[in-house]
Amino acid sequence: EIVLTQSPGTLSLSPGERATLSCRASQSVSSSYLAWYQQKPGQAPRLLIYGASSRATGIPDRFSGSGSGTDFTLTISRLEPEDFAVYYCQQYGSSPGTFGGGTKVEIK
Amino acid sequence: EVQLVESGGGLVQPGRSLRLSCAASGFTFDDYAMHWVRQAPGKGLEWVSGISWNSGSIGYADSVKGRFTISRDNAKNSLYLQMNSLRAEDTALYYCAKSSEWLVSGYFDLWGRGTLVTVSS
Repeated sequence: EIVLTQSPGTLSLSPGERATLSCRASQSVSSSYLAWYQQKPGQAPRLLIYGASSRATGIPDRFSGSGSGTDFTLTISRLEPEDFAVYYCQQYGSSPGTFGGGTKVEIK
Repeated sequence: EVQLVESGGGLVQPGRSLRLSCAASGFTFDDYAMHWVRQAPGKGLEWVSGISWNSGSIGYADSVKGRFTISRDNAKNSLYLQMNSLRAEDTALYYCAKSSEWLVSGYFDLWGRGTLVTVSS
C-alpha cells in the first residue's frame, strides 16, 4: 500500500498570499495518478486536480498541481477567502487507492 | 441534477449490522465504478471499498475486509454497503463517491453528502 504524507499539517496564510502544499508518496505513483481534493467544514470533499496537474471542471486557474514519481505539489497562487479549507491528496494508480492525512489552510 | 444521496446511517451497538444505500441520479450509473469512503470525526479520509461497473471487480480496505460487503444494482442506480460485526472504530461519516472510470480505480469526481454511522453501546 502506498502511504501519502502531506506537509505541512497546517498552513497559516493571509488572503492574497501563495499557498504551497506538499504530498510525498512512499513509492512512485504510476502514471502520475494523483488527485487533490478540497474539503470545507460540514461539506463533502470536492475534486480539484487529477492526473497530478489537470484541473477538474469549474476549478479556478489559481489552483495548479505539479509533480511526478513520489513528490507532488498543489499551489494556490493567490488565496481567496473561500480557499481556506482542508486539502487531501489521493493516489489512484495502485490498489488500494490511498489518501494523505490532509493539510489545513487557515487564515493567519 | 447530478447527485449522490446516501442513507441508512444511524446509531448501532457493537457487533450489530447496518446497510447503507446510495442513490445516484443525473449520470449513466452503470458506466462507472463506485466507492465508499469514510471519515471518522475530526479525522481524514479513508477509502473503504470499491466496485467496478458490472460488479466484476471489488476491493476492500484491510480494516473492513470480511465484515463489509459492497454491492450495486444498476437497474436501480443504487450502491450498497452491508456492514456486519460493527466496531466502535467504524464510527464515521460514510460517503458514496463516483469513480472517473469503469474499473475499480480512478479518482472521485462526484461525492454525496454522507451518512453518519455511530457504533456505541
